[in-house]
Amino acid sequence: LAKTTQPISMDSYEGQEVNITCSHNNIATNDYITWYQQFPSQGPRFIIQGYKTKVTNEVASLFIPADRKSSTLSLPRVSLSDTAVYYCLVGGPYNQGGKLIFGQGTELSVKP
Amino acid sequence: DVKVTQSSRYLVKRTGEKVFLECVQDMDHENMFWYRQDPGLGLRLIYFSYDVKMKEKGDIPEGYSVSREKKERFSLILESASTNQTSMYLCASSSSVPGPMRVDTEAFFGQGTRLTVV
Repeated sequence: LAKTTQPISMDSYEGQEVNITCSHNNIATNDYITWYQQFPSQGPRFIIQGYKTKVTNEVASLFIPADRKSSTLSLPRVSLSDTAVYYCLVGGPYNQGGKLIFGQGTELSVKP
Repeated sequence: DVKVTQSSRYLVKRTGEKVFLECVQDMDHENMFWYRQDPGLGLRLIYFSYDVKMKEKGDIPEGYSVSREKKERFSLILESASTNQTSMYLCASSSSVPGPMRVDTEAFFGQGTRLTVV
């Protein structure tokens, strides 16, 4: 099972772009990369998912280099409400033995 | 609006009691998960199920069991509650998209059950 490594915490200011990088050196061919966001006292919420290159949605962008050994979640122009814990997950289909495993996450603090 | 519902938001039980945590999803999802979350330890997977009556151990299954008799319901059972099982318990569900490379869609989480064992 691919292990992920991401910074424990990050600080930012409102209006800045925030990039959170996740390392997953042992990613398998069938694995895809998913990011979740969690606010205090709530369950995690899906942000974005990708397999390779770049994926963008209304919330974030996900950059995945060709070797797929890392990925970067990019949050454009953060606001105070983006203060949360961000989790990077790597995994394959559950019915093929894959599991939805969360790492420690990155605690992002956005300041005014 | 998709929904994963956990039966209780807060629960207090005594040591040695058998505890049932219920989770219901209304999205016809194949996959369901139980996690516990503790300060400094993040979310840890207890059990998951990718089909009715199917279950797989997660990273910390000891002291827990699960039941999935119907697709929409996944129950977590603490056979004999202990104080070290005091935690926030989160249930999640997701779907699988068949194809050449089967992709599992985003997981939806419930609001959590904060269990205190005294």
